[in-house]
Amino acid sequence: DGGITQSPKYLFRKEGQNVTLSCEQNLNHDAMYWYRQDPGQGLRLIYYSQIVNDFQKGDIAEGYSVSREKKESFPLTVTSAQKNPTAFYLCASNWGTYNSPLHFGNGTRLTVT
Amino acid sequence: ELKVEQNPLFLSMQEGKNYTIYCNYSTTSDRLYWYRQDPGKSLESLFVLLSNGAVKQEGRLMASLDTKARLSTLHITAAVHDLSATYFCAVDLRSGTYKYIFGTGTRLKVLA
Repeated sequence: DGGITQSPKYLFRKEGQNVTLSCEQNLNHDAMYWYRQDPGQGLRLIYYSQIVNDFQKGDIAEGYSVSREKKESFPLTVTSAQKNPTAFYLCASNWGTYNSPLHFGNGTRLTVT
Repeated sequence: ELKVEQNPLFLSMQEGKNYTIYCNYSTTSDRLYWYRQDPGKSLESLFVLLSNGAVKQEGRLMASLDTKARLSTLHITAAVHDLSATYFCAVDLRSGTYKYIFGTGTRLKVLA
């Protein structure tokens, strides 16, 4: 079955360490997105990519970096510059066109202490 | 600044009752999406509304879109416990890029 796979499901890191969250999709979607969700809040866009080797900052890109070297992969690195990295991170994809809803992965819960 | 606001933020209702969740947005858009999220889980697409006056129904849920009022509603008919979840609306900006701005979510609890 097609879908989006995020790994790991839970991730624990010490403050000051960079950490990379994986996102892979086999839906052949062109566009991919990273969202952050804090408890009791909505989703905020970190980065998005509409085509390979191109990506744009979302609303809260500071302290994060991404790459899009392959169509199916869009890893997110949470750097030590991110002041409050503990959150639930959701990767999504779609066709990047009109009327295309987002398909979400199951998320990665990152805890930094 | 684009804002997408939902109300209520929390909703506790008895089984069998009807209720409506509202989603207001502050910019021009004719594309609005509704998602469901169960606790600790990911988001599931419920409805895609693509034009003024669009209405979609699935089971006990019905969504509508009024682009002139910049308002979407999600109506729940005869609620059942399985509908307990958090519901998000999201607006697709008409800016040439596909940025989806999410509302704050409505946490629904249906009591038996």
